[in-house]
Amino acid sequence: AQSVAQPEDQVNVAEGNPLTVKCTYSVSGNPYLFWYVQYPNRGLQFLLKYITGDNLVKGSYGFEAEFNKSQTSFHLKKPSALVSDSALYFCAVRASGANNLFFGTGTRLTVIP
Amino acid sequence: ETGVTQSPTHLIKTRGQQVTLRCSSQSGHNTVSWYQQALGQGPQFIFQYYREEENGRGNFPPRFSGLQFPNYSSELNVNALELDDSALYLCASRPTGGVGYGYTFGSGTRLTVV
Repeated sequence: AQSVAQPEDQVNVAEGNPLTVKCTYSVSGNPYLFWYVQYPNRGLQFLLKYITGDNLVKGSYGFEAEFNKSQTSFHLKKPSALVSDSALYFCAVRASGANNLFFGTGTRLTVIP
Repeated sequence: ETGVTQSPTHLIKTRGQQVTLRCSSQSGHNTVSWYQQALGQGPQFIFQYYREEENGRGNFPPRFSGLQFPNYSSELNVNALELDDSALYLCASRPTGGVGYGYTFGSGTRLTVV
């Protein structure tokens, strides 16, 4: 069985400060990990993915994520937050051989001016 | 910008009715999936189609069904609508190939069942 935990429903950060949105996962075999962002009344926009290779993955809009196999984590990070980063962030995992993505419950990021 | 378009954007239906939601994927995206996102929740996998055949299904009853067409369009049909079917329905597609391909999501159809 696969699962994703986003332990924080809400993260608040001041504009210009670094941000971290946490994600841990459980899956059989090698995980394929994804981060998506959702703005109000919109679908999901792809930010970045980890399939294999370097543990630090760089994605869109200055976001990056670090894959940590021993801690089964895939935290999303950005060095300097923008007000426009305020949105709902979803971590997702796809098990090797599976057809679907399994999503966490989401973390609402609010960047305070 | 997303290459997946969904229609309609919003829809209101009465309990017991049937609904058809539509999705148009990018050319070359032979795999399409549908997800249900209830308010305050993450998306949940309904099913996936590959070359017009269903090849994966989540924990949804048979009244949720789908079709995929050769022109990269697809449909999600829901019969005997229930109030709990109210949600944002997302279509996602990806090209056939290695697992490295991510999914491109549409903006969704907001279904309200009254």
